Amino acid sequence: GAGVSQTPSNKVTEKGKYVELRCDPISGHTALYWYRQSLGQGPEFLIYFQGTGAADDSGLPNDRFFAVRPEGSVSTLKIQRTERGDSAVYLCASRKNSMGDSPLHFGNGTRLTVT
Amino acid sequence: AQTVTQSQPEMSVQEAETVTLSCTYDTSESNYYLFWYKQPPSRQMILVIRQEAYKQQNATENRFSVNFQKAAKSFSLKISDSQLGDTAMYFCAFMKHYGQNFVFGPGTRLSVLP
Repeated sequence: GAGVSQTPSNKVTEKGKYVELRCDPISGHTALYWYRQSLGQGPEFLIYFQGTGAADDSGLPNDRFFAVRPEGSVSTLKIQRTERGDSAVYLCASRKNSMGDSPLHFGNGTRLTVT
Repeated sequence: AQTVTQSQPEMSVQEAETVTLSCTYDTSESNYYLFWYKQPPSRQMILVIRQEAYKQQNATENRFSVNFQKAAKSFSLKISDSQLGDTAMYFCAFMKHYGQNFVFGPGTRLSVLP
């Protein structure tokens, strides 16, 4: 597609529920990133995929968070047993390749609210 | 670990004037990349400008330019002829040459006043 697409744009869920956030990167981009952005703060790294594999998942806060990219394109971020502290905007970004100057292209994010 | 600091939480500028946003970073790497991203109220992060650390010449993109001081680990963004559409959060970001993780600063909220 023309840009990185994230769905849904907003998600409200109750504490303890399971949620899935979807990211469709720019066609042909091999690298995909998930970031979390709390109000008034900069994006915080969660996980990075190169192709189908998670090359770096060191930013995932705990084992309730998991992400997949089974075919090397669309990715899903999964959060189990959601907590109010998970409320944030979840940003997805893709890069054309892993060359140093290849910039991140971001989607519009999914605003997750846990009540 | 790399850290990125933006010491100005908020700034304002009159339309058509020039404003400079500050960014400093901490790293032991000798080669890396620096970026400025803009995030308007629509929430989408947009690349403004990028700089390679081994290039001494400061990057320029139309009204946007940087002042890259490698020894001081400083990477400021200058916006000339500010426009109302420049109102946004601005984030400075760092990436190691052989790394994949972009590290972002906390951001500066810029308001361009009519």
